Amino acid sequence: SQLAEENPWALSVHEGESVTVNCSYKTSITALQWYRQKSGEGPAQLILIRSNEREKRNGRLRATLDTSSQSSSLSITATRCEDTAVYFCATDPTGANTGKLTFGHGTILRVHP
Amino acid sequence: DSGVVQSPRHIIKEKGGRSVLTCIPISGHSNVVWYQQTLGKELKFLIQHYEKVERDKGFLPSRFSVQQFDDYHSEMNMSALELEDSAMYFCASSLQGASSDYTFGSGTRLLVI
Repeated sequence: SQLAEENPWALSVHEGESVTVNCSYKTSITALQWYRQKSGEGPAQLILIRSNEREKRNGRLRATLDTSSQSSSLSITATRCEDTAVYFCATDPTGANTGKLTFGHGTILRVHP
Repeated sequence: DSGVVQSPRHIIKEKGGRSVLTCIPISGHSNVVWYQQTLGKELKFLIQHYEKVERDKGFLPSRFSVQQFDDYHSEMNMSALELEDSAMYFCASSLQGASSDYTFGSGTRLLVI
């Protein structure tokens, strides 16, 4: 079974709208990371949120973390067409910073003009 | 900043053949990991090297071997290729052995025919 899972599977919004991707995970973590992967590119880290943090922002991005429910969310405000990508959450399943990230299946986000 | 450089960008091999994928990490980064991505979605952890020592192994087939050299670049040697090996192969690097700040390369697309 997946140790990290994003939902929904896919999202479609129009430019300017806000969108939220959710992530649930099954292990204790020291940090959770959100990545974005555009077509033809490698994943790019967006936000790293540590277990002692509840919220972290990066421009139009906002990540939350709830360790009690083992869930996280990534919100994007004022979406742009260039936000079209697959969004992954990733955890270190051992919680020991071993360097082994476990990715979910990803959420496909399409932003229409 | 040249980022993580992977070569070749695309490669086609016949079933049963061999291939070598190369990853040049960001200068000074001694932690290198490899991931396989099929169907454009799930990223599977293959292997991690830190300071030229294998630190963790995941889904790496026994037909594949990975080595990290003195300058920290990494090579994946793939033999007895199977059709199921067709995928994108990404490497990522970070400064330390922890997974906190991975930078991914653009990947190598391998097609086995």
